[in-house]
Amino acid sequence: KAGVTQTPRYLIKTRGQQVTLSCSPISGHRSVSWYQQTPGQGLQFLFEYFSETQRNKGNFPGRFSGRQFSNSRSEMNVSTLELGDSALYLCASYRGGQLEKETQYFGPGTRLLVL
Amino acid sequence: GNSVTQMEGPVTLSEEAFLTINCTYTATGYPSLFWYVQYPGEGLQLLLKATKADDKGSNKGFEATYRKETTSFHLEKGSVQVSDSAVYFCALSDRGYSTLTFGKGTMLLVSP
Repeated sequence: KAGVTQTPRYLIKTRGQQVTLSCSPISGHRSVSWYQQTPGQGLQFLFEYFSETQRNKGNFPGRFSGRQFSNSRSEMNVSTLELGDSALYLCASYRGGQLEKETQYFGPGTRLLVL
Repeated sequence: GNSVTQMEGPVTLSEEAFLTINCTYTATGYPSLFWYVQYPGEGLQLLLKATKADDKGSNKGFEATYRKETTSFHLEKGSVQVSDSAVYFCALSDRGYSTLTFGKGTMLLVSP
């Protein structure tokens, strides 16, 4: 079956702009999580959506937001971009039960460069 | 809070050498532990996991044992291949929660 897909794969924006990233989970997966990966901070959890509701939230400013649609597809939005937002944004999905009993699958990521 | 500490890389080995990547953790509860691998240009893939003390996770020749007394989950492989070159991430999740706390990652480079 198809894996987790993310669009676009690469994005270049300038400071102050906003950006929307999209993630399509594996069919049947109701949980979608977003992570930011940077060389300095590593992988950091942004938020998780389950059945269209935000279930968990990381420690990021309010400029970072997300949503999930009824088909489980998810988008994340970053407003007023800063240079430090340049990163690889990874999306992950799984069915939504106990994580230790399931497998979470990651997409290839969207690489965002802010100039 | 939760945290994961991994040995810094890169780890450079010759093919067929023995691999150990150290991972220790700090957690408020009783976490589940994971190793993920990231190949160049790709997302993360789950390599193995362990959900309780003394459990051994294994996959593709890699192994890791959940050591509660030393709060460790070291990754080992008896004989690495060039194709194992990648970045390896140790991670934990609190039981009942669905978020992962990752270590900084360890790059492994295997030469022929």
